[in-house]
Amino acid sequence: QVTLRESGPALVKPTQTLTLTCTFSGFSLSTSGMCMSWIRQPPGKALEWLARIDWDDDKYYSTSLKTRLTISKDTSKNQVVLTMTNMDPVDTATYYCVRIPRSGSGSYTYFDYWGQGTLVTVSS
Amino acid sequence: QSALTQPASVSGSPGQSITISCTGTSSDVGRYNYVSWYQQYPGKAPKLMISEVSNRPSGVSNRFSGSKSGNTASLTISGLQAEDEADYYCSSYTSSSTWVFGGGTKLTVL
Repeated sequence: QVTLRESGPALVKPTQTLTLTCTFSGFSLSTSGMCMSWIRQPPGKALEWLARIDWDDDKYYSTSLKTRLTISKDTSKNQVVLTMTNMDPVDTATYYCVRIPRSGSGSYTYFDYWGQGTLVTVSS
Repeated sequence: QSALTQPASVSGSPGQSITISCTGTSSDVGRYNYVSWYQQYPGKAPKLMISEVSNRPSGVSNRFSGSKSGNTASLTISGLQAEDEADYYCSSYTSSSTWVFGGGTKLTVL
């Protein structure tokens, strides 16, 4: 059974750095072809893809946020970590950790398992 | 990367069929058959409903189907039920090795 759970601070101040941890079970990120991502959703707004990390440690970032994001993994702990620097009130959102399977076509194209999400509020 | 375009809202009566469109560009929807659809209830995480344009994951009702023509993908829900009332988001892989989502569509079952 695949489960993902996000953890981190519920409140951060403007200019601070946010660190979120995703702890997962039911699969291993060291398995060839496994990938994971972070996605966020501001209150009442649409989803936004942020970053992806692959089993071989390849990393991909949102074009608009790449200077502020870092994604990493600790396969021994079954964890993926996202850091976002210089937080601003517009970054207030629910942050989701998701799994990306290798599809039948051999590509990585969709998100099949989602964590429950963690709401992060940016305010002084 | 601009968001994909979805109608803000659609509605239908129980038993009817509805279609939600998702329009992108030749760099995303039009380039790959990598469009997916997600259902989200208030306060809950999104759930995968359709992958790679028209593939339905195990456990998803066959009342949900997907298609694509050019730069526009579509999600059709047939035999509308009250439990289908939710927000729906489309997503596409892009030529920049990133993903882009639509603005979301609120489905109301009358």
